[in-house]
Amino acid sequence: EAGVVQSPRYKIIEKKQPVAFWCNPISGHNTLYWYRQNLGQGPELLIRYENEEAVDDSQLPKDRFSAERLKGVDSTLKIQPAELGDSAVYLCASSPWTSGGAQETQYFGPGTRLLVL
Amino acid sequence: ELKVEQNPLFLSMQEGKNYTIYCNYSTTSDRLYWYRQDPGKSLESLFVLLSNGAVKQEGRLMASLDTKARLSTLHITAAVHDLSATYFCAIRKTGSARQLTFGSGTQLTVLP
Repeated sequence: EAGVVQSPRYKIIEKKQPVAFWCNPISGHNTLYWYRQNLGQGPELLIRYENEEAVDDSQLPKDRFSAERLKGVDSTLKIQPAELGDSAVYLCASSPWTSGGAQETQYFGPGTRLLVL
Repeated sequence: ELKVEQNPLFLSMQEGKNYTIYCNYSTTSDRLYWYRQDPGKSLESLFVLLSNGAVKQEGRLMASLDTKARLSTLHITAAVHDLSATYFCAIRKTGSARQLTFGSGTQLTVLP
């Protein structure tokens, strides 16, 4: 079974430029998450989707960050304009829709490593 | 504010030795996860602990959960070099509907 796919794997941009990350979750997983992981830290949730609906975006800096999951499958996270402090690894994860238990485990993609110069 | 604290943050140990990583959290939680991350790679799920007293083991790793103390441990038995990685615990706050809060991670290096 294919895992969570993300692209690109690496991105270097200058500040004030836009950037976009793409994620394709595991087939059949209704829930999709975007996380940001700063160096030496654990991941922090940016946004969570249930199908195409963003059900938790309280941690997303909405002045410059946006996300979409139009057909309830793959998703795009965008930053415009990027700032120096946005340098981090952006992780996508997915989980199946269940009523609970270990099946709610989140499966992570390899991440996109962003460097803003 | 919800806090998840791991210690130690850095751990070097000799092959064959035993050690424990601790994960403390500041609020009630209905599940706790342990993940492993190799350098430049993504997070791999190791264990999900769902109830007080839960214990799970896989190879040289054993995880346990004490919800009353708000503490989970990850015990390493007879460490081998392949266990070198960063280990994260993460909790789902009771009633938070799938939102995980991660600790800062413990970077483990197993020396020959």
